[in-house]
Amino acid sequence: GAGVSQTPSNKVTEKGKYVELRCDPISGHTALYWYRQSLGQGPEFLIYFQGTGAADDSGLPNDRFFAVRPEGSVSTLKIQRTERGDSAVYLCASSPSYGHSTDTQYFGPGTRLTVL
Amino acid sequence: AQSVTQLDSQVPVFEEAPVELRCNYSSSVSVYLFWYVQYPNQGLQLLLKYLSGSTLVKGINGFEAEFNKSQTSFHLRKPSVHISDTAEYFCAVSLARGSQGNLIFGKGTKLSVKP
Repeated sequence: GAGVSQTPSNKVTEKGKYVELRCDPISGHTALYWYRQSLGQGPEFLIYFQGTGAADDSGLPNDRFFAVRPEGSVSTLKIQRTERGDSAVYLCASSPSYGHSTDTQYFGPGTRLTVL
Repeated sequence: AQSVTQLDSQVPVFEEAPVELRCNYSSSVSVYLFWYVQYPNQGLQLLLKYLSGSTLVKGINGFEAEFNKSQTSFHLRKPSVHISDTAEYFCAVSLARGSQGNLIFGKGTKLSVKP
């Protein structure tokens, strides 16, 4: 079946602009996670959705970052007033259950964001 | 706070040789342990995970890992590697309790298999 998809695969923007990154999870998966992977680093947790609600947003670096999942499937990560330090690969993952630590997370290929 | 250390950023190895990728973690509470692999231009894929029980865990593609609580380690091994195993490998933990399942990753180890 279809895996997790993310669009766009690459996004180049200028400092100060607004960007939206989209994630389509595996159909029927209730848990959705966003991570950010900077160059030479492992992925870092940003936010977790349980259905439509953000159950844990403790990893969002500041209030320029926001994410939504209005219908409990597709999620959008929104970044306002982008800065060069936001350049990274943004990863989305989904899992079948509500935030069980034992669950396997299925990752998308990521969106590479470059802020000039 | 929890942390994961992958001791080698790069591991070059010849085809059919054995390999061990090292992972140590730090946590004051119980954790679950995972190894993910990232092939070029692909998403992270689960290789194996340790939740409880036998400390030797077998995964896909002939990989296995051993949980050592006293050493706080979860090293990944394969007895004979193939060219197709060239990829980046990430060790990760999640809290066994009080967590929504978010993963804490190490910095990764790039495995390069040479003919």
